[in-house]
Amino acid sequence: EADIYQTPRYLVIGTGKKITLECSQTMGHDKMYWYQQDPGMELHLIHYSYGVNSTEKGDLSSESTVSRIRTEHFPLTLESARPSHTSQYLCASSAGGEDEQFFGPGTRLTVL
Amino acid sequence: QKEVEQDPGPLSVPEGAIVSLNCTYSNSAFQYFMWYRQYSRKGPELLMYTYSSGNKEDGRFTAQVDKSSKYISLFIRDSQPSDSATYLCAGRAAGNKLTFGGGTRVLVKP
Repeated sequence: EADIYQTPRYLVIGTGKKITLECSQTMGHDKMYWYQQDPGMELHLIHYSYGVNSTEKGDLSSESTVSRIRTEHFPLTLESARPSHTSQYLCASSAGGEDEQFFGPGTRLTVL
Repeated sequence: QKEVEQDPGPLSVPEGAIVSLNCTYSNSAFQYFMWYRQYSRKGPELLMYTYSSGNKEDGRFTAQVDKSSKYISLFIRDSQPSDSATYLCAGRAAGNKLTFGGGTRVLVKP
C-alpha cells in the first residue's frame, strides 16, 4: 500500500476562511501532484512539483497555492475559501515517470 | 470536447461475468495509456499500463489500445464483488501530464 497521507479527510468551513490541506509521502518521491475531482467527473491537475522548491500550475486554473520546502511534504493553501472551492482534492506522488502515480485518500472540502 | 471520454455508468454485472469498459480520446499524440481503479472514498490506484497500440494482460485484466480509432478498453474476466469500483482511463503524450477520463462506475453483484 502506498504511503501517502492527506489530512484532514473531511473539512466543512465557512466562506472567507484560510485553509491548508496537508499531503505527505514517505516514499521519497520527487514528483508530487494535486488534483481536483468533482463527483463523477475527471481528475483535473491543479498543481505539481518535480522537487524541493519547484512548483508549477496545472491545467485547471486554481486560486490555491502550494509549497514544496521538503521532499515529503506538499501542502495546498486557499487564502479565502469560497463555495466554488467545494470539491475533493487528491494528492499524488510518483518516483520517476508520470504514469504510476500513488494517490492519497483525498480531502473532501465543503465551503458553506 | 473532453480529451478523454468515458460512460459514467453504472455498469452492473453479475458475479463471474466479463466486465467490458471503454474509453475514447481525441489527442492523437497520446502514446501512453493507463487504467486506474478507484474505490469509494479512496484515491485511484494504477491497474494497467499500456504503451502505444496492442493488448496487455495481467491476471484477470486485459487492456487494449487501438490508436487508429482512438479507443481503449479494459476487460475484467471472472468479475468479483471486490471489483466494484470506478475505473478511470488516462492517456498522455510524451513529455506531457496525464489526462483522465471521468470514470465508469462498475457494480458486480453476488
